[in-house]
Amino acid sequence: DADVTQTPRNRITKTGKRIMLECSQTKGHDRMYWYRQDPGLGLRLIYYSFDVKDINKGEISDGYSVSRQAQAKFSLSLESAIPNQTALYFCATSDRGSNYGYTFGSGTRLTVV
Amino acid sequence: RKEVEQDPGPFNVPEGATVAFNCTYSNSASQSFFWYRQDCRKEPKLLMSVYSSGNEDGRFTAQLNRASQYISLLIRDSKLSDSATYLCVPFRNQFYFGTGTSLTVIP
Repeated sequence: DADVTQTPRNRITKTGKRIMLECSQTKGHDRMYWYRQDPGLGLRLIYYSFDVKDINKGEISDGYSVSRQAQAKFSLSLESAIPNQTALYFCATSDRGSNYGYTFGSGTRLTVV
Repeated sequence: RKEVEQDPGPFNVPEGATVAFNCTYSNSASQSFFWYRQDCRKEPKLLMSVYSSGNEDGRFTAQLNRASQYISLLIRDSKLSDSATYLCVPFRNQFYFGTGTSLTVIP
């Protein structure tokens, strides 16, 4: 089993729908992150969480919300999806000091039509 | 100013060649970095860490030049499987992943 699991792997949804992307990890890491990647662009941070009670906005949090249900689970919601949220979404984890870099999930490819 | 900047490439090299690319950084306080590789439409994966003493792992060598504020990645004897995008990330600001440098190794 993967250390960081994202579900679903692919999703097509309609404009205005609410959608949740889920991430779970078995690394035992405290820190979790959500990024999006668009073609030709780098990864951009949406939200991050350093522990269960800590949630922080990243560079591009507008239109998104998150929930840290447990140390191992961090979900990303699009309350009302719009086409420019079509992207590849990655969840990542790191240890407390981020000393060993990030471990990424395999990504969720989201298409909003 | 971006924390790190990389030549996006693409670098197209023949199999077996040696290729090097750099990553320049703006914060002189940065002392360590990570190199990740990302295959097309896949997740980034940690390749190696780079500290002041540099790092070597098989065909890959990373160096940190603090005077000129850049990190280099050297790949010797390039393999087709090395084709990917290579991202440098500062340890002190791991939130920031740039667009990386694209490498294609040609048969």
